[in-house]
Amino acid sequence: NAGVTQTPKFRILKIGQSMTLQCTQDMNHNYMYWYRQDPGMGLKLIYYSVGAGITDKGEVPNGYNVSRSTTEDFPLRLELAAPSQTSVYFCASSSLTGTVSGANVLTFGAGSRLTVL
Amino acid sequence: KQEVTQIPAALSVPEGENLVLNCSFTDSAIYNLQWFRQDPGKGLTSLLLIQSSQREQTSGRLNASLDKSSGRSTLYIAASQPGDSATYLCAVPVEYGNKLVFGAGTILRVKS
Repeated sequence: NAGVTQTPKFRILKIGQSMTLQCTQDMNHNYMYWYRQDPGMGLKLIYYSVGAGITDKGEVPNGYNVSRSTTEDFPLRLELAAPSQTSVYFCASSSLTGTVSGANVLTFGAGSRLTVL
Repeated sequence: KQEVTQIPAALSVPEGENLVLNCSFTDSAIYNLQWFRQDPGKGLTSLLLIQSSQREQTSGRLNASLDKSSGRSTLYIAASQPGDSATYLCAVPVEYGNKLVFGAGTILRVKS
């Protein structure tokens, strides 16, 4: 099925470990995003990308890194995991092509639940 | 800095009731507003998108309104059903690139 696929769905890390959350989309969308959702809070933007080779920081980028070598893939890297990074991570994509007033709908993945102990 | 607030945080209603969810935003210079639905353990699904030039948008039993000048949007759900039970979030874009700022959501439970 077309859409956004995230792996893994669940992961437990020890403090200081590193890992990569994978995200891939098959809709040929230019824009991709990583959000985190903490309990009782709205989603907060970590990083986003407007196309292959172009990434930029969102609201809460500290402790994370991203890359966008292809249109389809947008992995999120956690270096030196900390308990504050315990959260649910969502990847999303959209076909917005550049106008701020454009309103293409975002397609979200099912989420990756990360616990850092 | 744009901030989005949703009230109530949680709502429990009997089946068949009409209900209203509220969303407010601090910066009225928005281009659009979206309402999403989130089922437990799942990602978000877009329900409705209202452009800044629109006052209302309807989809089936859902009706969303937007009042930019007062910084408010409402999501009206008619004849609620147990299948409507979910978390509903609103979001507005900031800057370039459709980056969204989300409210914390309203957890809705419709009892049969």
